Amino acid sequence: NAGVTQTPKFQVLKTGQSMTLQCAQDMNHNSMYWYRQDPGMGLRLIYYSASEGTTDKGEVPNGYNVSRLNKREFSLRLESAAPSQTSVYFCASSEVQARAFFGQGTRLTVV
Amino acid sequence: KQEVTQIPAALSVPEGENLVLNCSFTDSAIYNLQWFRQDPGKGLTSLLLIQSSQREQTSGRLNASLDKSSGRSTLYIAASQPGDSATYLCAVRPHSNYQLIWGAGTKLIIKP
Repeated sequence: NAGVTQTPKFQVLKTGQSMTLQCAQDMNHNSMYWYRQDPGMGLRLIYYSASEGTTDKGEVPNGYNVSRLNKREFSLRLESAAPSQTSVYFCASSEVQARAFFGQGTRLTVV
Repeated sequence: KQEVTQIPAALSVPEGENLVLNCSFTDSAIYNLQWFRQDPGKGLTSLLLIQSSQREQTSGRLNASLDKSSGRSTLYIAASQPGDSATYLCAVRPHSNYQLIWGAGTKLIIKP
């Protein structure tokens, strides 16, 4: 049982480049989430998808876009990367009244 | 606005001790509360989930309690081991939306 799989695990981008972080879950969860984690800032929600076909902004959505491709997959896109987007990104999935499961994270550095 | 606070931010104890981590929240209108563990450089692992109607949950040496009326949860770790060293985070799911509201975490170090 793979759970939540994120790719890539590491990425270095130059300022202005674009990239997409991929996330897939095999637990048939309706809800999926993208977080970023920065030292001293804790976990901050970027976007979430309560169910297939819906997406909503979280606490820090600026500079990001998301796509809920189907029930399994939820991608996060950086259109024009900035150094402020250097962070560790986590994807998660859950049902409302059940545990949340997290991927192993993507370490992104923007230079 | 729901806020979640974890105290202390860091804790160091000798191996074998029993310990308690604290989590407080400002709004009692929650679906559930979860405790997570995060090892350095890794993702988060859900340890225990307490539904709003429950008072506690147990898993092995871990016991989590929930007192909604006072806005508090505790995570009790019995007979601590060096392998318990990690950052522990609590998160509440409000009635109002699908998001989890997070505490900043307690970094726990168990000294051999």
